[in-house]
Amino acid sequence: GAVVSQHPSWVICKSGTSVKIECRSLDFQATTMFWYRQFPKQSLMLMATSNEGSKATYEQGVEKDKFLINHASLTLSTLTVTSAHPEDSSFYICSARVVGGGPGELFFGEGSRLTVL
Amino acid sequence: GNSVTQMEGPVTLSEEAFLTINCTYTATGYPSLFWYVQYPGEGLQLLLKATKADDKGSNKGFEATYRKETTSFHLEKGSVQVSDSAVYFCAPRGGVYSNASKIIFGSGTRLSIQP
Repeated sequence: GAVVSQHPSWVICKSGTSVKIECRSLDFQATTMFWYRQFPKQSLMLMATSNEGSKATYEQGVEKDKFLINHASLTLSTLTVTSAHPEDSSFYICSARVVGGGPGELFFGEGSRLTVL
Repeated sequence: GNSVTQMEGPVTLSEEAFLTINCTYTATGYPSLFWYVQYPGEGLQLLLKATKADDKGSNKGFEATYRKETTSFHLEKGSVQVSDSAVYFCAPRGGVYSNASKIIFGSGTRLSIQP
């Protein structure tokens, strides 16, 4: 199947700093990528839909100025957590939809664990 | 929009036991239905899917049938193994009045198989 890679897989940062997480589709093009947040022992919460060449669409309650999303190419989307605080500590997962692929099939990255001290 | 209710965990079974994880959904129209699995420390993987009523998705010994009349997509396996220990997510996607690109995840069911 298609491969989606996230980097870094885990990161520790100080409060107030910004952290960038990359999501790459390695062997396919993805016009649409999705960013999720997962708290311990909970389900995935969709944060935003990232569209190549246009602004991301954020879910209700997600601060777009805090979680900056850039989808500059068909194989790369980035999530930047700005001015991170301990409550932003979480597992962030991206997924990508194959262009012209079957209904609903998404491929997920392995996730990035963020810990804010 | 779509919503999903999934059997709460954790579920603990002995090896070779029969597994059922219940999932019911609410949607207008005919969403596609998915089960995803998350092994410890990893991201999600698609386990199986069904795109229309009465379809049966299957993979790795797991099965789930799209039941429109009961709006259910229960996951079953006849004989579980220790390696099946993971968190399982039921997820509908699409349907009328729902963004076809958005997938809604259930709360997840943690499965632990004892040798």
